[in-house]
Amino acid sequence: QVHLQESGPGLVKPSETLSLTCTVSGGSISSFHWSWIRQPPGKGLEWVGYISYSGSTNYNPSLRGRVTISLDTPKNQFSLKLSSVTAADTAVYYCARTPIGRNWFDPWGQGTLVTVSS
Amino acid sequence: QSALTQPASVSGSPGQSITISCTGTSSDIGGYHYVSWYQQHPGKAPKLMIYDVSYRPSGVSNRFSGSKSGNTASLTISGLQAEDEAGYYCSSYTSINSRVFGGGTKLTVL
Repeated sequence: QVHLQESGPGLVKPSETLSLTCTVSGGSISSFHWSWIRQPPGKGLEWVGYISYSGSTNYNPSLRGRVTISLDTPKNQFSLKLSSVTAADTAVYYCARTPIGRNWFDPWGQGTLVTVSS
Repeated sequence: QSALTQPASVSGSPGQSITISCTGTSSDIGGYHYVSWYQQHPGKAPKLMIYDVSYRPSGVSNRFSGSKSGNTASLTISGLQAEDEAGYYCSSYTSINSRVFGGGTKLTVL
């Protein structure tokens, strides 16, 4: 059974770049889309973007220009970089899987809280 | 893109049925058969409950069902149980090949 685990710094300074990694275990990173989804404290979910196993990407228009998602197939990992962060980027960041040609997220990682503060 | 519209809260007694609505536009819910629903308990990751409007993943109780009419999707939970108390989020594919979530609904089992 596939398992996803997020990792990365829990505190980032304003204007710097947030970097997170999702490690996929129990299955191959091939033949799926791999997404990042975030949730500000006490608020709803927001789709950040995804990367396909082929390397193609698709980002939320509201974040385009600041977000980059990349893939490391040999390590079965994918990563998120979000630049020029502000307090509004403080959130729990989840990684999740989507079958190619489908539009649901399953499974999800447990999530990791990233706080933007000086 | 704007978030889909959900009621902030709904409630029901054990054994009753409740329905949570999720309203979008013809560019998302109304244009595609790609609505999914997620259950989220406090401090936990969301869990897929319904995909493609009305399909249940293996292991999800048949007390959960989904439907869609026009630009509005709905999640119905029948035979409410205490363990159903959680947050529920809808999600849809959009015409610009993006994904959008609803604002979330807190279900209270009285």
